[in-house]
Amino acid sequence: GESVGLHLPTLSVQEGDNSIINCAYSNSASDYFIWYKQESGKGPQFIIDIRSNMDKRQGQRVTVLLNKTVKHLSLQIAATQPGDSAVYFCAENMPSGSRLTFGEGTQLTVNP
Amino acid sequence: EAGVTQSPTHLIKTRGQQATLRCSPISGHTSVYWYQQALGLGLQFLLWYDEGEERNRGNFPPRFSGRQFPNYSSELNVNALELEDSALYLCASSLAWGVDTQYFGPGTRLTVL
Repeated sequence: GESVGLHLPTLSVQEGDNSIINCAYSNSASDYFIWYKQESGKGPQFIIDIRSNMDKRQGQRVTVLLNKTVKHLSLQIAATQPGDSAVYFCAENMPSGSRLTFGEGTQLTVNP
Repeated sequence: EAGVTQSPTHLIKTRGQQATLRCSPISGHTSVYWYQQALGLGLQFLLWYDEGEERNRGNFPPRFSGRQFPNYSSELNVNALELEDSALYLCASSLAWGVDTQYFGPGTRLTVL
């Protein structure tokens, strides 16, 4: 079946560097995408979302880019901090059914 | 404003028993979703309730069931527990069905011995 997947299962960066987490999706009908952050032992926390009629959306220190041509989603974190260490999931929403399909997750580790 | 709450935080059961997990959505949210997250794995969609009705179901056996109450809170029941049911069970809520952000609770850690 169609799924959302992540290119890199782990990412290690130095504090202060920028981080980029990538995600590929296969359902061209998906019209809404969300990035979640999950710290150990906690539920996923909403970071930022983007709808399919947009290419880029910025939040506080985070930017999501959507490339519908190649069905690729990325999350950019500026000036990465130790508190950013977590697993990051991308999720896509199918128009018919209001269910999210999650990728496998990328473990981001920020080294001091 | 309170977020999504779940109870209990931890639950330990033995094989063959039944487990009941509870979720209270954010005030004003009518849709509730349940996900299973096995250790080290991603989130697998279980069930979606909206306005008291089951709207969609993931690829799980019938012993996973649930309901949504008039106040929009929800229960997830797992019958005839198996060892592989051990996981973090996450509940999420959204304002309405359709394209809308889902907000997650902290989860219930179910351990089946």
